[in-house]
Amino acid sequence: ILNVEQSPQSLHVQEGDSTNFTCSFPSSNFYALHWYRWETAKSPEALFVMTLNGDEKKKGRISATLNTKEGYSYLYIKGSQPEDSATYLCAPSYNTDKLIFGTGTRLQVFP
Amino acid sequence: AAGVIQSPRHLIKEKRETATLKCYPIPRHDTVYWYQQGPGQDPQFLISFYEKMQSDKGSIPDRFSAQQFSDYHSELNMSSLELGDSALYFCASSLATGPYGVTDTQYFGPGTRLTVL
Repeated sequence: ILNVEQSPQSLHVQEGDSTNFTCSFPSSNFYALHWYRWETAKSPEALFVMTLNGDEKKKGRISATLNTKEGYSYLYIKGSQPEDSATYLCAPSYNTDKLIFGTGTRLQVFP
Repeated sequence: AAGVIQSPRHLIKEKRETATLKCYPIPRHDTVYWYQQGPGQDPQFLISFYEKMQSDKGSIPDRFSAQQFSDYHSELNMSSLELGDSALYFCASSLATGPYGVTDTQYFGPGTRLTVL
């Protein structure tokens, strides 16, 4: 059973704070890691797809890094805004397109 | 710990047939969600139920219907299957703590892989 862990489970920050989450996953047979942003009542929004060790992706104020050898990824949000409030899911895949989702990090940004 | 159970894990159907996917949420969870993930695509939210009532609806075709039963398990019914319905269907469950429960941590089942030939 593949175990994908994300930490922390929930996070409350003030507007303007920077924050980061961790996704840990088995590195054996790793293929790709997906990060999703999941807002209330919306379908998950794909943020990044990362495949190579050392990859760093950026989208606006959000960035992510990947370490495939040790099996972890960090997601960073710079200057959090209330609209960043969402659940952030990581989902690695292992040689298939089937995604193994973590339980998510629920971020709430207070004005 | 008990997890979300989906059945069957794999299903092969012919075009125009019907299929029923089942989801058994984690005990005491009152909310279930359905997602469709086509090959190479991001999971797409289909529909959700809270306390046996539909709480939200996404891009679910009219050929699909779903419900949540009194024991909180849910079934996704798919009729007149098309080749494009071939996908991995995830179910997730959660225990609602907020007004809509959608921001609660959602626990996904292993998914049902539907192949339409």
